Amino acid sequence: SQQGEEDPQALSIQEGENATMNCSYKTSINNLQWYRQNSGRGLVHLILIRSNEREKHSGRLRVTLDTSKKSSSLLITASRAADTASYFCATRAGGTSYGKLTFGQGTILTVHP
Amino acid sequence: GAGVSQSPSNKVTEKGKDVELRCDPISGHTALYWYRQRLGQGLEFLIYFQGNSAPDKSGLPSDRFSAERTGESVSTLTIQRTQQEDSAVYLCASSSRGQGTSYEQYFGPGTRLTVT
Repeated sequence: SQQGEEDPQALSIQEGENATMNCSYKTSINNLQWYRQNSGRGLVHLILIRSNEREKHSGRLRVTLDTSKKSSSLLITASRAADTASYFCATRAGGTSYGKLTFGQGTILTVHP
Repeated sequence: GAGVSQSPSNKVTEKGKDVELRCDPISGHTALYWYRQRLGQGLEFLIYFQGNSAPDKSGLPSDRFSAERTGESVSTLTIQRTQQEDSAVYLCASSSRGQGTSYEQYFGPGTRLTVT
C-alpha cells in the first residue's frame, strides 16, 4: 500500500501562478523526496529534504517538512507550461539511508499558457 | 550511457506467456530498484538489489515474478504466465551508495507491458 498521500489529486493553474501540493505519510522517515513524471514514464528527482530539516529551496521549488504532522508541501513559484506533469512524494523509512522508496499517488499539475 | 536504460520500451504479450524486462543502471551504481506503476497510480516497490544480492524482495506480488542481477550491473525482471493485471509500466532505478550522497534514485524511462 502507498504510504504517501498527495493532495490535491489534480491542480489546474495559469502560467505565472504558484502551485502548492501536499503530501502526508504514516510512519517515521529518514527523508522525503519529490519527483516529477512527464507523460507517464521516467521520473526525475526534484528535491530531497531530510527528517531534521524543515524547509529547503531549489530554484523555483520550495519544500517544507513537518514531522510532527507527518506532512510535506511542495511549492512551485511562477509556474510555466513546462511544469505540467505529475508530481510524487516519496519517503524512505526511518533508520535507513538506502533501500526502497514508498510513493504517494501523485498530483497531476496542469499549467495553462 | 549517462542514464538508466530499459528495454524493451513497449511489450505486448498474450496472457500466459513469459516476459523478460531488462534494466541497465548507471555505471558504478551499486543499488538497483524495480517498481511497477499501474495507470493513474503511484509507484509500487517490487525489489531492491544491493550489488548482486536482493535484501528486499517484499514487493514482488507473487511467485510468478522474479528478478536477478549479475556483475553488479544489468538486471532482469521476469514475469511468468502473465496475467492481464500485470499490465503496467515497469520502472527501474539505480542509486549510488557512497559517502556524502543523498541516495537519490535515478529512473529509467520504463517498459510499458500490455497483456492481452
